[in-house]
Amino acid sequence: GAVVSQHPSRVICKSGTSVKIECRSLDFQATTMFWYRQFPKQSLMLMATSNEGSKATYEQGVEKDKFLINHASLTLSTLTVTSAHPEDSSFYICSATDLSGVVGELFFGEGSRLTVL
Amino acid sequence: GIQVEQSPPDLILQEGANSTLRCNFSDSVNNLQWFHQNPWGQLINLFYIPSGTKQNGRLSATTVATERYSLLYISSSQTTDSGVYFCAVGGSQGNLIFGKGTKLSVKP
Repeated sequence: GAVVSQHPSRVICKSGTSVKIECRSLDFQATTMFWYRQFPKQSLMLMATSNEGSKATYEQGVEKDKFLINHASLTLSTLTVTSAHPEDSSFYICSATDLSGVVGELFFGEGSRLTVL
Repeated sequence: GIQVEQSPPDLILQEGANSTLRCNFSDSVNNLQWFHQNPWGQLINLFYIPSGTKQNGRLSATTVATERYSLLYISSSQTTDSGVYFCAVGGSQGNLIFGKGTKLSVKP
């Protein structure tokens, strides 16, 4: 299947700092990527849809000024958590679909575990 | 929006046992996937199965789209099967909507 890679896998930061998470499609091009968040012992919730060359669309309740998404190329989307606070501590996972493969099947990155002190 | 319900929420098995996990969804969908989330959090694609039946080794899945449910079968379970199994269905933006998962613990 298609490979999606995230970096970093784990990050610890101080409250008030900003953290950038990268999501790359390694062997295919992705015009659309999805960012999810997963709190401990809970399911995955969609945060935003990242569109190459245009603004991201955010789910209700997700602050676009806090979670900045940039999808500048067909293989890279970045999520920046600005002025992070302890309540932003979570597992962030990106996903993408390979349009040259099974259309609609989503593949996920390894996830990035953010801890804000 | 579409509701996805998984059952049971927790399942404890002895190694070698078989199990069936269920996923009900509230509306017709054009995409359904099963995932295994390992202890490190990574989501492993098990099946892309909007309809029909597929098998991969000890795992198989069946989706009956007209009745809005899908089943994941695990045969001869192993301790490495432990983890959380998620069912997810296609949303309107091409995204996936996840159920709450079934936490499986396989004891040696």
